Amino acid sequence: DTEVTQTPKHLVMGMTNKKSLKCEQHMGHRAMYWYKQKAKKPPELMFVYSYEKLSINESVPSRFSPECPNSSLLNLHLHALQPEDSALYLCASSQEDRAVQPQHFGDGTRLSIL
Amino acid sequence: SQQGEEDPQALSIQEGENATMNCSYKTSINNLQWYRQNSGRGLVHLILIRSNEREKHSGRLRVTLDTSKKSSSLLITASRAADTASYFCATPAGNKLTFGGGTRVLVKP
Repeated sequence: DTEVTQTPKHLVMGMTNKKSLKCEQHMGHRAMYWYKQKAKKPPELMFVYSYEKLSINESVPSRFSPECPNSSLLNLHLHALQPEDSALYLCASSQEDRAVQPQHFGDGTRLSIL
Repeated sequence: SQQGEEDPQALSIQEGENATMNCSYKTSINNLQWYRQNSGRGLVHLILIRSNEREKHSGRLRVTLDTSKKSSSLLITASRAADTASYFCATPAGNKLTFGGGTRVLVKP
């Protein structure tokens, strides 16, 4: 079992829908991440939160809106997505947002846009 | 953009054999990490090697780092079917990790 929990595991939505992905960790980590991963490709960083504040946005389209309600939770709000947004969305956490520390990943949400 | 490039892209071996994969990177780093990803799952951190280390072991894993050649290798000894997965190297870029393209390893029973 992973220590980072993501829900839902699968999500199918139309291009006009609004949905949210959720991520939770109870390891006391202060950095949390969203990645997008296409099939047979490496994860690509989307957002980084450090101490509940957005520290990195990798020029992600505004149809993806992250939110960090508290130090244990991370959400990704989705609206008006495109078919090319279909992918595995991974959440990760680390003690702090320093690249010398291991990241702990959830098992992801597999998103399909119709 | 990817900092690390992995070689080979795919590897097929028999159970019990060793598997070796390589990662090359472009800029100076202070550490390099390796992760495993089983099909349909998230990434699992395997090992972190710092720039002042040349070799590190963890169970059946051996990682080397050659900063002069900007390269690292991951060796899995006595492979098992459960080692079937994709393996990624990851290098720091500021406060971010950048993942290499990955090596898909298939261990046949």
